[in-house]
Order: sequence, then structure tokens, then C-alpha cells
Amino acid sequence: AQTVTQSQPEMSVQEAETVTLSCTYDTSESDYYLFWYKQPPSRQMILVIRQEAYKQQNATENRFSVNFQKAAKSFSLKISDSQLGDAAMYFCAYRRGPYGGATNKLIFGTGTLLAVQP
Amino acid sequence: GAVVSQHPSRVICKSGTSVKIECRSLDFQATTMFWYRQFPKQSLMLMATSNEGSKATYEQGVEKDKFLINHASLTLSTLTVTSAHPEDSSFYICSAADRRETQYFGPGTRLLVL
Repeated sequence: AQTVTQSQPEMSVQEAETVTLSCTYDTSESDYYLFWYKQPPSRQMILVIRQEAYKQQNATENRFSVNFQKAAKSFSLKISDSQLGDAAMYFCAYRRGPYGGATNKLIFGTGTLLAVQP
Repeated sequence: GAVVSQHPSRVICKSGTSVKIECRSLDFQATTMFWYRQFPKQSLMLMATSNEGSKATYEQGVEKDKFLINHASLTLSTLTVTSAHPEDSSFYICSAADRRETQYFGPGTRLLVL
């Protein structure tokens, strides 16, 4: 069975600094997707970034980028120029692909609570 | 794009009553929707996968007769908590998968059963 591990329950970063959140996963599949979701205090889950396993290039979305190491099964999220609005719980998630239906459920890590200090 | 709405955002009901929660994909069609439950300071727990026009697939331990799911169209799925009890009080979140099968989440529903 696939598992996702986030070993950092809490992290803190100074405003404008850079922080990296760790995520490792375990799977025997070769084709899959990885995601980072953000859940602020409002509890709305927001997609931050998506990575297809077959792509070697690391995904980036503005200040957010990932370091995807397929052989090591590692998928870390880097937040550059941290802002107060980045404070949230961050969940790493895995999904098999690209088939439809129940097999494509997301498997979540336990989350990392990020605090941004002004 | 990729907006998912959920209604109601909060509901308080008496024990024994039923509560319906709606999940809508506003700007895309979703053949698959998912229903989650989240306890405070915990990750999301998948309850069931809802496929348009077919029966939902429930996760192990989730009572299908208690949590009724209907996915009648490509933009709407509903979760009905039947004969709700205080232990059903929780935060319920839905998500909808787009054609790239990326899940986008609704804002959640806080259910309090008295």
C-alpha cells in the first residue's frame, strides 16, 4: 500500500525567508502524481502545486517549487519569499495515475503546520 | 477556474434528523467526486468516492446506509447524513476531480449534532 510521510509536524519561517517542507512516499507504482495542498485557518484546501512522476522537471508555481527525487521517493516543497498569508497546514498527497475512479483517491500525509513570523 | 462550492457551510441539527450537504463543481465537469471527513488538527479521511451515474465506493469502516451519496450529474454530488448523532459532528469536505484528475476542494461543512 502507498504511504505518505511528513516528518515535520511544525515549521516556522521569518517573513521574506525561504522554507522547505519535507515529504517522502512509498509506492511500487511507476506512474503517479504528487501534490501539495495548503489548508489555512479557514480550512479551505487549496492546491499549491502538482507534479507528474514521469516528468523529470520540477514543478514551479510562482514562489512555490518542488524538489522531486523519484529514486529517493522524496517530494519537498520550497516556499521562497515567505509571506504572512503562507501560514497554514500543508499536506503532501499521492495519487496513482492515470486511471479513473476509486483507485485514484488521494493519499495524504499528516501535514506540516507552517508559521510565518513577521 | 476549478471552483468547487459546498452548501451549507455550517449546520446544526438535532439528534436523529438527516442532513444533506451539496457539492458542486462550478466551472468544470467532474465525473468523480470525493467526500472526506476531517477531525481537528488531523489529516483528511476519505469516506467515499462518488462517480456520476453509478453507486459510490465507500472506504472500509464507513457505513453506506448512514452516509448516503448521490452523484446525479457531472456537477453535483450530495452527502446525506441519516439519523445523525453527536458522534457524527465533524468537518466534511468534498472534492471534485477535473479531466486531469486533479482534485479541487470545496470550502467544507461544519456539522454539529446536538
